[in-house]
Amino acid sequence: EAGVTQFPSHSVIEKGQTVTLRCDPISGHDNLYWYRRVMGKEIKFLLHFVKESKQDESGMPNNRFLAERTGGTYSTLKVQPAELEDSGVYFCASSLTSGRETQYFGPGTRLLVL
Amino acid sequence: EDQVTQSPEALRLQEGESSSLNCSYTVSGLRGLFWYRQDPGKGPEFLFTLYSAGEEKEKERLKATLTKKESFLHITAPKPEDSATYLCAVQASPGGGTSYGKLTFGQGTILTVHP
Repeated sequence: EAGVTQFPSHSVIEKGQTVTLRCDPISGHDNLYWYRRVMGKEIKFLLHFVKESKQDESGMPNNRFLAERTGGTYSTLKVQPAELEDSGVYFCASSLTSGRETQYFGPGTRLLVL
Repeated sequence: EDQVTQSPEALRLQEGESSSLNCSYTVSGLRGLFWYRQDPGKGPEFLFTLYSAGEEKEKERLKATLTKKESFLHITAPKPEDSATYLCAVQASPGGGTSYGKLTFGQGTILTVHP
């Protein structure tokens, strides 16, 4: 069974540009999460989808970040316009249910904003 | 606000030298405590979930335990391939506006095992 996949693995952009990250969860997993780790800090929650609906977006830093999950399958996270402080590793995770279910993580997208 | 503190930040062991990693937490109501392993350049890999105080789980050289305030990850006779960052995360019980899905992570413990 394929795990969580993320694309691209790395992205280097200039301040002010737009970047779109993609996450494909494990097939059949209704729950999809985005997390971020900035340099020297812990992994932090960004938002949680249940199917195509946003269950919790309390961790989204500001309105430059837009997450979508059309059709309840893959998800995209767009950063527009990117700022220097957006650099970090963006992880996606998925789980079968929202309860005590294990969240399985993807390999992450390493974003560097210059 | 949920908080997780892991100690030590880094741990260097000789092969075969057993030790423990600590994860202290404060959460409004614990739904689950998760241990992950992360290798450089990769995403967190699930190890264990603990749900209630007194619970223990084992996998190969690793054993995780849970109390009402902290969790320990015991590593018995470690090997160089156990070198990784070990992450602890908590999931809070729903209610009071808290999301019931999100994980709150600690900063991790970087474990290096020398041959």
